[in-house]
Amino acid sequence: KQEVTQIPAALSVPEGENLVLNCSFTDSAIYNLQWFRQDPGKGLTSLLLIQSSQREQTSGRLNASLDKSSGRSTLYIAASQPGDSATYLCAATGNQFYFGTGTSLTVIP
Amino acid sequence: GAVVSQHPSRVICKSGTSVKIECRSLDFQATTMFWYRQFPKQSLMLMATSNEGSKATYEQGVEKDKFLINHASLTLSTLTVTSAHPEDSSFYICSAEEAQGGTDTQYFGPGTRLTVL
Repeated sequence: KQEVTQIPAALSVPEGENLVLNCSFTDSAIYNLQWFRQDPGKGLTSLLLIQSSQREQTSGRLNASLDKSSGRSTLYIAASQPGDSATYLCAATGNQFYFGTGTSLTVIP
Repeated sequence: GAVVSQHPSRVICKSGTSVKIECRSLDFQATTMFWYRQFPKQSLMLMATSNEGSKATYEQGVEKDKFLINHASLTLSTLTVTSAHPEDSSFYICSAEEAQGGTDTQYFGPGTRLTVL
C-alpha cells in the first residue's frame, strides 16, 4: 500500500525566506503527484500537478520537483510571505489518492 | 486515525441516469465535508463545501442543479450527479473535517470513479 510522508510536520520561518517542503512516497507507480494548500475551514486549493513523466512544475513563487525513482517530491517556496501561512499537502495518485500527512507553515511578518 | 469511506468505489452508468455517491465519516463527526473531482491528467479540484444542515456552497463553474449535495447528518454527505453525461466521467473524492478539537484536519475518502457511457 502506498504511504506518503511529509517532513517537516510544522515549519515557522521569517518573511522573505526561501523554504522547501518535502514529500516522500513508497510506491513509485504513480500517475502524478500533486501539491495542495489547505486553509482552516476551507477546501484544498490545488497548487501544482506533476505528471509521472515530468520532473518539475513552476507557478509563480512555487516550484515542485518529482523524482519517482527515489520516491520524493519537493515544494520550493521563494520569498515567503505571511499569506503563505497554511497547511501544505502532497498527494500521490495511483488507483486512488494517497495524501501526505501535511506540513503546517507559518510565515512570521 | 479517522476514517472516511465512500460508496461506491466504482460506478458505470448510462448517459442520462443519475448516480449517488455516499461519503461517511466512520469514527468522528464532521460538520463540514468537501467534494472534489479530478479529470484525467488534471488537478484535483474543489467542487463544493457541504455543511451539515445547510445548503452546500459551490465553487464557480460547478452547477448546483446538476451536482446535488445533501449533508443530512454529521457522518454522511451524498453527492448525486443528475442526468449524467460522458463528460461527467471523473474521479470524485470527498473529505471530512472533524467537528471538534480545532485541528482543521481533513480526512479523505478513497474516491469514486464514475464512468458514464
